[in-house]
Amino acid sequence: GEDVEQSLFLSVREGDSSVINCTYTDSSSTYLYWYKQEPGAGLQLLTYIFSNMDMKQDQRLTVLLNKKDKHLSLRIADTQTGDSAIYFCAESMGVMSGGGADGLTFGKGTHLIIQP
Amino acid sequence: DAGVIQSPRHEVTEMGQEVTLRCKPISGHDYLFWYRQTMMRGLELLIYFNNNVPIDDSGMPEDRFSAKMPNASFSTLKIQPSEPRDSAVYFCASSFRGRGTGELFFGEGSRLTVL
Repeated sequence: GEDVEQSLFLSVREGDSSVINCTYTDSSSTYLYWYKQEPGAGLQLLTYIFSNMDMKQDQRLTVLLNKKDKHLSLRIADTQTGDSAIYFCAESMGVMSGGGADGLTFGKGTHLIIQP
Repeated sequence: DAGVIQSPRHEVTEMGQEVTLRCKPISGHDYLFWYRQTMMRGLELLIYFNNNVPIDDSGMPEDRFSAKMPNASFSTLKIQPSEPRDSAVYFCASSFRGRGTGELFFGEGSRLTVL
């Protein structure tokens, strides 16, 4: 079955880079995702990467994918207090082409703590 | 555009009572998902629908849980009778297959406390 593993906590200083790591098990996943959850809110998609890509950059966010090791990481440059949240890694469960519309398997989330 | 709308945002009830959670997906989306979030187990997929038809309910924990989607704009998750271990945040999410990325759009959740 599918399983997504993440560290539960990460503490960084404001202005430093944050790197959140994730390992997944389903090599057939078409897309891998990073979601952000702020306190009392639902999850919001931060970014995603197609499985045939190694890297994707979007402003302060960099996603790295190592398919051989089934390892996904999210780097947040110049971490700000507003980045404090829980970050979820997720993989698509669906076997249909065009993306996992059958639902996503989520990790337990990494709590990003920002130190002043 | 309105996002996924869930109600109630908070519910406190006593053990044995019936609980009904409601969800309005984004208009035009053809998939709807119910997830449960707890500290211990993280996010668990309970059930999902495609075009109002339940596709996979293997995540529903017990017969006390049931979900319906009578039309494309409304779904309910019912717990009867409720138990303290059902306390969690329940999220509804919707997606559109044609988007191609499998992205889920989440509601803000319904926080359930069963005393």
